[in-house]
Amino acid sequence: RKEVEQDPGPFNVPEGATVAFNCTYSNSASQSFFWYRQDCRKEPKLLMSVYSSGNEDGRFTAQLNRASQYISLLIRDSKLSDSATYLCVVNRVSNFGNEKLTFGTGTRLTIIP
Amino acid sequence: GAVVSQHPSWVICKSGTSVKIECRSLDFQATTMFWYRQFPKQSLMLMATSNEGSKATYEQGVEKDKFLINHASLTLSTLTVTSAHPEDSSFYICSEVRPELGTRVSYNEQFFGPGTRLTVL
Repeated sequence: RKEVEQDPGPFNVPEGATVAFNCTYSNSASQSFFWYRQDCRKEPKLLMSVYSSGNEDGRFTAQLNRASQYISLLIRDSKLSDSATYLCVVNRVSNFGNEKLTFGTGTRLTIIP
Repeated sequence: GAVVSQHPSWVICKSGTSVKIECRSLDFQATTMFWYRQFPKQSLMLMATSNEGSKATYEQGVEKDKFLINHASLTLSTLTVTSAHPEDSSFYICSEVRPELGTRVSYNEQFFGPGTRLTVL
């Protein structure tokens, strides 16, 4: 089983719609959770951290369910500029004492005009 | 603005040659940097953790003699792909960790370089 699993998509969504992505992780020792955004042939960039109580940043809402080891991202009123691959990322301390990020394969989103 | 730079941004080389990729922290003294590899339509896979002044720690399955990492200063880490072969063609990305004080909790955010696209013919 992969450490971080995501639906690869693609999700093709009309502009203005709401879209939700889900992610599950296998390691219960995971400590921090993030959503990153990666544009084609570019490096990943942090979109938002994910907290147990849920958090919102503008049109983006992230939720974490530690009991189910499940993370979600909701995008409201989607814009053309939201087209990208969204990476679910989990952070834990490795055996060497370093923090280690594990990436999901990403969910590809295309917003259609 | 960018906080991590990588050079070169792309490279094409012949099979059997060695390629060096540089990763620079622009305004931060990074004791730890990470090297990732991403094949097309796959996730980023951590290759190794680069530690300033000491040996890098490699992930399982990554050959340390093939992927040489040097972190001689707090602002520079290098990855050398030795005797590159076509199967080494990939997108190589470095990152550094910076402590960030969030509104609710502090965490270490990783900042990624722009990546180096390696094509081995």
